[in-house]
Amino acid sequence: AQSVTQPDIHITVSEGASLELRCNYSYGATPYLFWYVQSPGQGLQLLLKYFSGDTLVQGIKGFEAEFKRSQSSFNLRKPSVHWSDAAEYFCAVGAGGSNYKLTFGKGTLLTVNP
Amino acid sequence: NAGVTQTPKFQVLKTGQSMTLQCAQDMNHEYMSWYRQDPGMGLRLIHYSVGAGITDQGEVPNGYNVSRSTTEDFPLRLLSAAPSQTSVYFCASSISTGPSEAFFGQGTRLTVV
Repeated sequence: AQSVTQPDIHITVSEGASLELRCNYSYGATPYLFWYVQSPGQGLQLLLKYFSGDTLVQGIKGFEAEFKRSQSSFNLRKPSVHWSDAAEYFCAVGAGGSNYKLTFGKGTLLTVNP
Repeated sequence: NAGVTQTPKFQVLKTGQSMTLQCAQDMNHEYMSWYRQDPGMGLRLIHYSVGAGITDQGEVPNGYNVSRSTTEDFPLRLLSAAPSQTSVYFCASSISTGPSEAFFGQGTRLTVV
């Protein structure tokens, strides 16, 4: 069975600083990979996704992620964090070419200091 | 432009009561799923459907029933609520199982006392 690990439960950064959120997955074949963001009391919004091809993918709000097969990782990055980026971030894997049977990591809560 | 609509947004139940969480999508999506979100646990798949009349269990199906009589609707039923079912429930839909993403509703916060 597939699994997703987000090693950092809580990260605090200063506004304007760079950000990297880590995600490691376990799956035998090439997975579908997603990053979702959740603001307090809200649903999940897709930031970006990887299915195949170019391993560096661009998303909304200035986020990008890089798929590294050798490390089973799909880390999320942003060069300069804004206060509005404070939220919880979830990495998810869809096994077997699935986007409806997702396995999520436990999430990383991002706090942005002014 | 409704997308995925969940009702109600909030609900308090007593132990043993039954209820149905509603989920409707207007995007003609074939695939729909239910997840529950608990603090520190991320989201976990309860049930999913690959089309009208077809449902299957996810990771945590116990205590929940589903049916899919139409493409648009995918209700989640709690037959006898338990405090362990206190959670935030999310419904999601997607157009196909190919390279596309799932769209999520705004969630239903359920408290069982």
